[in-house]
Amino acid sequence: DGGITQSPKYLFRKEGQNVTLSCEQNLNHDAMYWYRQDPGQGLRLIYYSQIVNDFQKGDIAEGYSVSREKKESFPLTVTSAQKNPTAFYLCASSIRGISNQPQHFGDGTRLSIL
Amino acid sequence: AQKITQTQPGMFVQEKEAVTLDCTYDTSDPSYGLFWYKQPSSGEMIFLIYQGSYDQQNATEGRYSLNFQKARKSANLVISASQLGDSAMYFCAMREGRDTGRRALTFGSGTRLQVQP
Repeated sequence: DGGITQSPKYLFRKEGQNVTLSCEQNLNHDAMYWYRQDPGQGLRLIYYSQIVNDFQKGDIAEGYSVSREKKESFPLTVTSAQKNPTAFYLCASSIRGISNQPQHFGDGTRLSIL
Repeated sequence: AQKITQTQPGMFVQEKEAVTLDCTYDTSDPSYGLFWYKQPSSGEMIFLIYQGSYDQQNATEGRYSLNFQKARKSANLVISASQLGDSAMYFCAMREGRDTGRRALTFGSGTRLQVQP
């Protein structure tokens, strides 16, 4: 079945530690996105990528980094510079060029500070 | 200014009744799309329905319909014949511009719907 796989489901970070969240899709989508969701809130855009080897900052990129070396993969690193990383992180992908196509989401990763 | 506003933090509805979840949006782009997603307590985002800014008719998908009032910049979700499984958070989102890859979605703060037996 086609879809988006995020791992791990739960992740704990120690102070001063970088952690990487995985996002893999087999939908053959060009565009991929990372969102952050705080409790009781909507989703906010961290980074997005339209194509391999290209990505753009979203609204809350500080303290995060991404790479897009393969079409299928868009990992997110939460760096030690992100002082409040506890949140639910959602990865999404979409087709380019067809405006009515929705973004498809993974099941998310819950990140907490130890 | 908020691009997507959902003014109902929580809503209750009796099973089998219809419910309307409000969404207003703000954009100066003539080309945009509006999406509704459902988020159960497990966290995944489930796409429900889409309305394009140039669509002449209101979108419908099974028990979901969208009351699109372009002049008022509102795109309310109507759920008919509510079921217990409809209890979840519901998010309205907007994509501005024609190129789906260039623009990510902007989300509202959501409405928590609880269906009562």
